[in-house]
Amino acid sequence: DTGVSQDPRHKITKRGQNVTFRCDPISEHNRLYWYRQTLGQGPEFLTYFQNEAQLEKSRLLSDRFSAERPKGSFSTLEIQRTEQGDSAMYLCASSSNSGRVFTDTQYFGPGTRLTVL
Amino acid sequence: AQKVTQAQTEISVVEKEDVTLDCVYETRDTTYYLFWYKQPPSGELVFLIRRNSFDEQNEISGRYSWNFQKSTSSFNFTITASQVVDSAVYFCALASGGSYIPTFGRGTSLIVHP
Repeated sequence: DTGVSQDPRHKITKRGQNVTFRCDPISEHNRLYWYRQTLGQGPEFLTYFQNEAQLEKSRLLSDRFSAERPKGSFSTLEIQRTEQGDSAMYLCASSSNSGRVFTDTQYFGPGTRLTVL
Repeated sequence: AQKVTQAQTEISVVEKEDVTLDCVYETRDTTYYLFWYKQPPSGELVFLIRRNSFDEQNEISGRYSWNFQKSTSSFNFTITASQVVDSAVYFCALASGGSYIPTFGRGTSLIVHP
């Protein structure tokens, strides 16, 4: 399967711990997006990469959040000093460089569900 | 500011019934894009359709059809002859405002009973 993959699928952590998630996009896609989805809500945009460059960041992305895409392939999302409010599904998506960004077809991964105790 | 309202939180139907999922959007921009996504229990969002604001033609894809009406700011989604596999949460999304960062609605959970 050559779809978007995310690891881990589930993460349980204690408040104050750091966590890191990984996203592997579809190989030929140079656009990569991170979203957060809480229970009963739609996804909310966090950040966007074009190749290795982080071009957009939401105000939701506090100083405790950092995302990287070092070689323009996989991406990591780190949350430092986790809080209970960080509990959510973190979704990654990728798209090819065709058309206006955000409006091209995004392919989503299965998400990482984070629970902060 | 952009906003998407999916007023139906949950819809329950019996297989083979037709069902319409409503989506009402708000934007001040004349150029915008509308989307529908399906999120099955596995969690992966699946892209269904994209429409730009300059194309009001309705679209049909198999049992799925979409009705885009700028006059009422609506982009409704109809599933004809629903099947159990259609059970999922469906999200409508709007991208506008220069950056085109999408805003998603809260989703409608569709349950199709056999």
